[in-house]
Formats: sequence, structure tokens, C-alpha cells
Amino acid sequence: AQKITQTQPGMFVQEKEAVTLDCTYDTSDQSYGLFWYKQPSSGEMIFLIYQGSYDEQNATEGRYSLNFQKARKSANLVISASQLGDSAMYFCAMRDSGYSTLTFGKGTMLLVSP
Amino acid sequence: DVKVTQSSRYLVKRTGEKVFLECVQDMDHENMFWYRQDPGLGLRLIYFSYDVKMKEKGDIPEGYSVSREKKERFSLILESASTNQTSMYLCASQAGRRRETQYFGPGTRLLVL
Repeated sequence: AQKITQTQPGMFVQEKEAVTLDCTYDTSDQSYGLFWYKQPSSGEMIFLIYQGSYDEQNATEGRYSLNFQKARKSANLVISASQLGDSAMYFCAMRDSGYSTLTFGKGTMLLVSP
Repeated sequence: DVKVTQSSRYLVKRTGEKVFLECVQDMDHENMFWYRQDPGLGLRLIYFSYDVKMKEKGDIPEGYSVSREKKERFSLILESASTNQTSMYLCASQAGRRRETQYFGPGTRLLVL
């Protein structure tokens, strides 16, 4: 069974608008962590934001926030005030309890237009 | 800043050749990982290592082996390269703590002809 699902293969947004990238996950563990990464066309993976399953508040890092809905098993990334440099591939990933390995979704390509 | 380097950005090899992909991290991280990335499939874990001389199979280990003789270096080996191993290979390292992110190298784009 797929552990991480990103249903949007691609998204378009205009500069300065907000955009939400969807991520749902599947785990039977109570303790887990959720990550979002950005991959520009150059190829490097850049860590954006982390949410622990026991964290009481939704994570935020600058223009990035994570809309964590535990009961629905969703961890959507919200980018406020999109910039041209946000155009990239975005991956959601999960770490189950007891392991250091990450399971990645298939990614969402975000294109920001002027 | 954590730095993870990979020996080559681009590599072209012929079918049947033995291929070595090297990864070095400078932050004394315990954990290191090798992924391959293919369009539409995301990142898939090939092998990982929790410590020197230790290795664990990931989701797609067939056709690959690894070596970790020193803590900072994790090598991926394709014993006999095949065309279906043409891909982007990403190395990552991580400190032992669970909340820590993995830090990725720049990737190696391997083409097997």
C-alpha cells in the first residue's frame, strides 16, 4: 500500500498568490514525522519543513506552513505569496517510528507564473 | 552547514561495466542513504547504513551493493550496469535523531548505454 500520496502531478499559480500542495499518508504508528522537500531543476533536494505527529501546533517556516490534520492523515504544504523561484518539484515524505528511513511521495511540480 | 558531496554530477557508462558512485558527508552523521529518482516514481530507497560497515537493504536493492568503510563515505556499486539503471542517484545523510532531516547531495545523473 502506498504510504505517501500526492494526488497533484502539477500545479500552476500566479506570483504572489498562495498555493496548497496536498499530501496524505498512511501509517499505523502513533509516532511519526512528516517532511516536505523542494527540488529545483538543478536537482538538489532542499528541506523545507517538518511536522511531528505529537506536535501540538502546525509547523511554519517563513512562507511555508504545514496544514496538519491528523485525523484525516493529511499534511498539506501551504506556500504563501508565491515567488518565481518557488517553481520546482515538491516532495512529501514520512518517517515511521523506530526507523530513520523516509518514504517519499511521487511529487508535485509547481509552476509559478509572473 | 552540512555538506554532502557526490563524486560525479553526470556519468555515462556502458552495459556490463562496474560503476562506483561515491558519497561523502562532513557532519559526522551516523546514517547515510542511497536513493534513485525516476520521473513519476519519486525517490526510492536502494540501501542505507546506520554505521560503519553496516548496511541495510531498502526497497529496491536488486542490482546494487554498497560499501561503508569510513563513517563519512558511503559508496553505491553497480556490479554490472544495465540500461534500466539509467537514473538520477541521490545520496543523503542524517544525524541519529529522529526529528532531523536528511541532507542530500547534488545527485548523479547516470546514463547506461
